[in-house]
Amino acid sequence: DAKTTQPPSMDCAEGRAANLPCNHSTISGNEYVYWYRQIHSQGPQYIIHGLKNNETNEMASLIITEDRKSSTLILPHATLRDTAVYYCIVRDGSSNTGKLIFGQGTTLQVKP
Amino acid sequence: NAGVTQTPKFRILKIGQSMTLQCTQDMNHNYMYWYRQDPGMGLKLIYYSVGAGITDKGEVPNGYNVSRSTTEDFPLRLELAAPSQTSVYFCASRPFADTQYFGPGTRLTVL
Repeated sequence: DAKTTQPPSMDCAEGRAANLPCNHSTISGNEYVYWYRQIHSQGPQYIIHGLKNNETNEMASLIITEDRKSSTLILPHATLRDTAVYYCIVRDGSSNTGKLIFGQGTTLQVKP
Repeated sequence: NAGVTQTPKFRILKIGQSMTLQCTQDMNHNYMYWYRQDPGMGLKLIYYSVGAGITDKGEVPNGYNVSRSTTEDFPLRLELAAPSQTSVYFCASRPFADTQYFGPGTRLTVL
């Protein structure tokens, strides 16, 4: 079973920041937080990942709380093309299999 | 690079038929994965491989078989198709580092 909890859906106005929350209260010390998104039934696309520090790349920022029990994915200026299902995944960093356990994700609707 | 390619894009099978879903990657990745996605649900791992000649079961392996004779190819075999196997199938590959790269998917209907 997925080790994360996400709201099933969210709306965001185009041009505004989209803040997608994720709870992972049972995360252990060697587990990473990953974010993927899936646009209209295409294959999932990697966004960002982190262990305990906040991370930023060209797509998004990842804010992880100090106790690591929750995180927030931030899309700074959402566009209509960011409408997708966003998956928050906890993965064991000590395992070399790289298996991902997907939950049901958050459907983000960006509106004009 | 073409990345991860999957064939066919769509397929309709009758109950009891068999077929092989093809997956090929040209990135020389060691790790490859097969997932299925039912409507409105997240992806579930069927099988995975950490290198040529090595495969292992994921969350939902029943009714499927895989092989990995080369680094590039990771075919998924359905021997006796059942309606419960109607789904979208995604293949993915990963280098030693973390990110998985997904293919475009195969949409399978079993009637």
